[in-house]
Amino acid sequence: GAGVSQTPSNKVTEKGKYVELRCDPISGHTALYWYRQSLGQGPEFLIYFQGTGAADDSGLPNDRFFAVRPEGSVSTLKIQRTERGDSAVYLCASSPNRASGKGPGEQYFGPGTRLTVT
Amino acid sequence: DAKTTQPPSMDCAEGRAANLPCNHSTISGNEYVYWYRQIHSQGPQYIIHGLKNNETNEMASLIITEDRKSSTLILPHATLRDTAVYYCIVRVGNDMRFGAGTRLTVKP
Repeated sequence: GAGVSQTPSNKVTEKGKYVELRCDPISGHTALYWYRQSLGQGPEFLIYFQGTGAADDSGLPNDRFFAVRPEGSVSTLKIQRTERGDSAVYLCASSPNRASGKGPGEQYFGPGTRLTVT
Repeated sequence: DAKTTQPPSMDCAEGRAANLPCNHSTISGNEYVYWYRQIHSQGPQYIIHGLKNNETNEMASLIITEDRKSSTLILPHATLRDTAVYYCIVRVGNDMRFGAGTRLTVKP
């Protein structure tokens, strides 16, 4: 079946502009995650959705970052007044419901959106 | 702070077993050990996870010490396509925090 998809694959924007990054999770997955990955580092957690609600947004770096998932499927990560330090690969992952007694569900990652702020 | 410690890099000869260590000395009783890998320019890929018993699947084996303070991921017959960064993560909830991982290079 189809995996997690992210659009666009690449986005170049000027400092100060607004950007939206889209994530289409695997059909039926209730949990959705956003991560940010800078060159040479592991992915950094940003936000996690369970259904339509943000269950944990503790990783969002500041109030310029916001994410929504209005119908519990597609999610959009929104960045206002972009800064050069926002340049990174933004990864999305989805996960099925946790199977009882088998640990947290494994996450399936998309290919990422490479954001470059000039 | 990452809860795991991994060597930054390792090499392995093609066809040989790759053994990737991970220290997680502060793991708590209900935390699972997960392994993911990330091939260049792709998103991370789930490999395997376990709580306290050793686990095996079609990709790899996971050996967890009896005290659960460390584990080893084993790729039994490494191929060039296994060259990637391998991440060891301990987690109990939906929170998943990546460290820097181990860059495994499989050489012909």
